[in-house]
Amino acid sequence: LAKTTQPISMDSYEGQEVNITCSHNNIATNDYITWYQQFPSQGPRFIIQGYKTKVTNEVASLFIPADRKSSTLSLPRVSLSDTAVYYCLDADFGNEKLTFGTGTRLTIIP
Amino acid sequence: EPEVTQTPSHQVTQMGQEVILRCVPISNHLYFYWYRQILGQKVEFLVSFYNNEISEKSEIFDDQFSVERPDGSNFTLKIRSTKLEDSAMYFCASSSQGVSDQPQHFGDGTRLSIL
Repeated sequence: LAKTTQPISMDSYEGQEVNITCSHNNIATNDYITWYQQFPSQGPRFIIQGYKTKVTNEVASLFIPADRKSSTLSLPRVSLSDTAVYYCLDADFGNEKLTFGTGTRLTIIP
Repeated sequence: EPEVTQTPSHQVTQMGQEVILRCVPISNHLYFYWYRQILGQKVEFLVSFYNNEISEKSEIFDDQFSVERPDGSNFTLKIRSTKLEDSAMYFCASSSQGVSDQPQHFGDGTRLSIL
């Protein structure tokens, strides 16, 4: 049973801001939301992680509302190199394994 | 930025042979993991390792598989009597702590092809 739900695919034009929303209705109190990016033939790359409210780093922002049942990954001014699969994961506190879903295949159009 | 490195990048092996996939985790990390991804499918957890022992393993990780940390820097996955269905990308990951607020960092994988 999938712990998170996200769109299968999205397209966007270069220079746009892209928002990918993820649903995690059954998130537990101690769980974190973690996002990874994966290019073909490469390993998943950690992007950002948060517990609630807003987190920002040099590549993305993560918005988590107060009820924590969803989150939105925001990629500012995307470029062709942002074409990849993006995974939203509900990381169980104390449970070391990560459970990946099918992710969102983001395609950036010139 | 420190990285997880994996060797070889591509391994081709005859069915029934044994393979060893190698990983060098990030140097100050204490928790180590193996995942696999069959072509076109999800990334699947295989095993986690801490303090020189397996802390969790999935149903995939049966007696055919074993892991070892032979020295202070390497972490290996051994697959005995390989089968065609073992063909996949195998990813090693490490983290500083085995809890959800410390992200796992992945290597770029070994592509295992069983003939």
